[in-house]
Amino acid sequence: DGGITQSPKYLFRKEGQNVTLSCEQNLNHDAMYWYRQDPGQGLRLIYYSQIVNDFQKGDIAEGYSVSREKKESFPLTVTSAQKNPTAFYLCASSASGRAREQFFGPGTRLTVL
Amino acid sequence: KQEVTQIPAALSVPEGENLVLNCSFTDSAIYNLQWFRQDPGKGLTSLLLIQSSQREQTSGRLNASLDKSSGRSTLYIAASQPGDSATYLCAVYGNQFYFGTGTSLTVIP
Repeated sequence: DGGITQSPKYLFRKEGQNVTLSCEQNLNHDAMYWYRQDPGQGLRLIYYSQIVNDFQKGDIAEGYSVSREKKESFPLTVTSAQKNPTAFYLCASSASGRAREQFFGPGTRLTVL
Repeated sequence: KQEVTQIPAALSVPEGENLVLNCSFTDSAIYNLQWFRQDPGKGLTSLLLIQSSQREQTSGRLNASLDKSSGRSTLYIAASQPGDSATYLCAVYGNQFYFGTGTSLTVIP
């Protein structure tokens, strides 16, 4: 089955720790995205990548980092510099070009202890 | 900056009723609009994608319309069922994707 997988489903972080969220897709999509979802707010874009070895900051990139070494993978690291990381994190992918339709993974819920 | 608004924030209807969800956006320079469904604690499931040159798209009991000039889209759900209960989000794509905050739908048996 084609799709997007995210792991882990739940993640707990202690103060001062860096944690990495995994996102893998087998849809052969060029573009991948990371969003953060908080209660009562719409999805906010953290980072996106249009192609391997290239990525751009979104609206709320501070305290996060990403890499795009393979087309299929776009891991997100939540660093200790992110002061309020507790949220639901969603990874998405799409084909490139104007007629792009986004597909989402199941999400990772990160909680700071 | 593009702003996407969905009203109402929550909606409760009896089973079998037809209903309309609304999505408005401030910048009409978009390439497409996408409707999603999100169940609690889950990712987003794509329902319908409307290209900027299209007026509507249909899938089963769902029909989405797009009026770019007025910055509006509607999602029509026919003969609602309890299984339709979820949050429905719209997103527009111009230079990036922008999402509304969603409408939480409850269909009462």
